[in-house]
Amino acid sequence: AQSVTQLDSQVPVFEEAPVELRCNYSSSVSVYLFWYVQYPNQGLQLLLKYLSGSTLVKGINGFEAEFNKSQTSFHLRKPSVHISDTAEYFCAGKTSYDKVIFGPGTSLSVIP
Amino acid sequence: EAGVVQSPRYKIIEKKQPVAFWCNPISGHNTLYWYRQNLGQGPELLIRYENEEAVDDSQLPKDRFSAERLKGVDSTLKIQPAELGDSAVYLCASSLLGYEAFFGQGTRLTVV
Repeated sequence: AQSVTQLDSQVPVFEEAPVELRCNYSSSVSVYLFWYVQYPNQGLQLLLKYLSGSTLVKGINGFEAEFNKSQTSFHLRKPSVHISDTAEYFCAGKTSYDKVIFGPGTSLSVIP
Repeated sequence: EAGVVQSPRYKIIEKKQPVAFWCNPISGHNTLYWYRQNLGQGPELLIRYENEEAVDDSQLPKDRFSAERLKGVDSTLKIQPAELGDSAVYLCASSLLGYEAFFGQGTRLTVV
């Protein structure tokens, strides 16, 4: 089955602390992988993408993600979060049939 | 460069009424997507266009939903008649050559 899993529906973290948002994918969606952020009442904004090459991908706003083929994971990390990072984060994968499948999302709440 | 433009931003209608959403993709983007996002969930693909051809509409409820992309640019998504369960955010996205998708701000539909 084609799926993208985000095990944590909600992640609270204190300001300036590090954070990791987990994402696992089925083998059929590993062609391309993405992380999107969605602020309240807004559309989705691309944070970063993995197409090929280096497994460590750096994105906007200080986020990075690591593609791990053996663990079928694409976890998102940031070493120090800010209040403005409070948002919904979606992991997505593109299948060989050009279909983009989204995970259910992780709500990141940064606590002052 | 202008992003993906959607209108209206918000729509409230009574059940059994028709409703239409409009999307103007980024200039030059050949791929256009319509997604539906229910509260607390990730976006789910309704239909994908490559230029003016609908190449994936397997998730579109064809008994009440229809879409068109005339001349391979703008697109409209219609629901007729709307049901209570259609309340959601409808997102339009576009991409070039099948890479990352750029999203509009969405249309929040409330069916009462």
